[in-house]
Formats: sequence, structure tokens, C-alpha cells
Amino acid sequence: AQSVTQLGSHVSVSEGALVLLRCNYSSSVPPYLFWYVQYPNQGLQLLLKYTSAATLVKGINGFEAEFKKSETSFHLTKPSAHMSDAAEYFCAVSGPSGNTGKLIFGQGTTLQVKP
Amino acid sequence: EAGVAQSPRYKIIEKRQSVAFWCNPISGHATLYWYQQILGQGPKLLIQFQNNGVVDDSQLPKDRFSAERLKGVDSTLKIQPAKLEDSAVYLCASSRRQGASDTQYFGPGTRLTVL
Repeated sequence: AQSVTQLGSHVSVSEGALVLLRCNYSSSVPPYLFWYVQYPNQGLQLLLKYTSAATLVKGINGFEAEFKKSETSFHLTKPSAHMSDAAEYFCAVSGPSGNTGKLIFGQGTTLQVKP
Repeated sequence: EAGVAQSPRYKIIEKRQSVAFWCNPISGHATLYWYQQILGQGPKLLIQFQNNGVVDDSQLPKDRFSAERLKGVDSTLKIQPAKLEDSAVYLCASSRRQGASDTQYFGPGTRLTVL
């Protein structure tokens, strides 16, 4: 069965510092991977997704993630944090191809950005 | 393009009462999902529809939860009777097709509190 593990339920960085949010997946075949962001009292918004085209995926708001099959990881990074990046971030897995599209989410990581 | 609409945004009920949530997906999206997000956890799929047919309801507590998607557009999710552990945010999402790589677009959610 597929699963997702997000290391660190809370991450705190200073404004302007590197953001690194970790995600590891468990899947017997190459999956599709997603990062979503959730601001308070809002739904989830897609940041980026990996669909086997390129291992380095660029998303919105300056975020990117790299798919590493050997490490079964899909970590999210941003070179310079902004105060507006403070939110909860979810990594999710879907697949393999032909799957119904059901997303399996990690438990989430809350990003705090300090001035 | 209008996003996924949900109502109500907030609901407070006593245990053993019934409650219903409504979702209107993005126009033209064939697939509709209901997720349950308990505080501090990632969303968990309750039920998935393709047009007006159920694709996956394996995680739906069928003794108390029911959902329908008449005419393949709007959907309602009902809980009867509610338990304390049903307190959560109920998220509706839709996607253009039923596929593992298709992006799911989320509504703002309904926050349910059961007292």
C-alpha cells in the first residue's frame, strides 16, 4: 500500500532563509507526487506535481521539488522564505497509472517564518 | 473560472444530530472527491464519484455517512447520527478526469464541530 511520510510536523525559518520540507513516499511502482499548501481556513492549493516528465519540478511562488527514486523522496524547497509562505504544507501520492486518482496525504508540515 | 464551492463553511451540532454538506465542483469536472481532515492530520478520502457513479467509498463509515451526486454535478455528504469523532474539516475536490496524474482542485471546506 502507498504511504507518505513528512519529516517534521513544524519547521521554523527566518525570512530570507532556505526552506526545506521533507517528504518520503512508499510505493512499489513510480507514483505521481504532489505538494499542496493550505492557508488558515482555506482549502488546499496545488504548488507543484511530479508526473514522470522531469525529476526537478518547478511550482508556483518560487517553490520547487526534486523526485529522487533512489531515496524515495520528493522534498520541497524554496531559496528564500517570505512571510507569506507561512502555512501548512502537504505532500501527497497517487498512482500508479490507471489508479482512480485517490490522493494519500502525509500528516502535514507547518511552516513558520520569523521576521 | 469559478472554483469549487462548499457550504456551509462552519457548522456546530450536538452529537446524535444529523448534518449535510453541499459541494458544487468546477464546471466540466467529471470526478468529485470528499475528504475528511481531522485536526493535525492530512486529508483522508471518504468517497469518490465519477459523474454520478461511486468509484471508491471504501473509507466511508456507511453506518452513518452517506453521499450522493445526482445528475453528475453537485454533491451532498450527510452524517446521521453524528459522533464526537466526526469533528473535522470536510473538503470537497474535483478534477477534470479520473486519473492518477490529474490535478484535484479543493474547495474551502466545511468545519464541523460536534459537541
